Amino acid sequence: DQQVKQNSPSLSVQEGRISILNCDYTNSMFDYFLWYKKYPAEGPTFLISISSIKDKNEDGRFTVFLNKSAKHLSLHIVPSQPGDSAVYFCAASRTGANSKLTFGKGITLSVRP
Amino acid sequence: DVKVTQSSRYLVKRTGEKVFLECVQDMDHENMFWYRQDPGLGLRLIYFSYDVKMKEKGDIPEGYSVSREKKERFSLILESASTNQTSMYLCASRQTDTTYTEAFFGQGTRLTVV
Repeated sequence: DQQVKQNSPSLSVQEGRISILNCDYTNSMFDYFLWYKKYPAEGPTFLISISSIKDKNEDGRFTVFLNKSAKHLSLHIVPSQPGDSAVYFCAASRTGANSKLTFGKGITLSVRP
Repeated sequence: DVKVTQSSRYLVKRTGEKVFLECVQDMDHENMFWYRQDPGLGLRLIYFSYDVKMKEKGDIPEGYSVSREKKERFSLILESASTNQTSMYLCASRQTDTTYTEAFFGQGTRLTVV
């Protein structure tokens, strides 16, 4: 049972335009959501997160939106740059000292120059 | 600067070998994790540990075991390596004394079983 879903395996956008990466979850107990970026042959690096008490969090070119009623979150990258080309993973967690991160399958973003 | 270090970037092992993947973190984190990444399958949790000598199975523990004798070190063991364990293995650690924290990952170990 996949609790975190990234239904689109890939996305291609033009440099300078907006990239929108989507993520859905099924477990209503999740209250903390994260996005990670991963280049080939490297470990994932943390990008941005949001807790369930918020509906938006912004950090430079990256904004994450959370719609709790729809169990949906999205990552917006504006403007997209070629260096943003990578695999992006959505992850979710529950409050608690020993909670784990549950990841989606990832989306491969390609930003065309 | 936080650091999670995995002992090897690339490993090639033979079927049936016992394989040890080592991970060390310098952040005094309580939680440590082992994931594997496969194309089209994302990051899947193998095992995690929430304290020294404490461990819990993740989603795909079959064929693996773990050891956590010291807080900073978490080892993944493949008792008898098989070709379907060829994968990218990722170790992570996470602080737990605050509610909302991210996990930090190592650089990954690309394991090939031949």
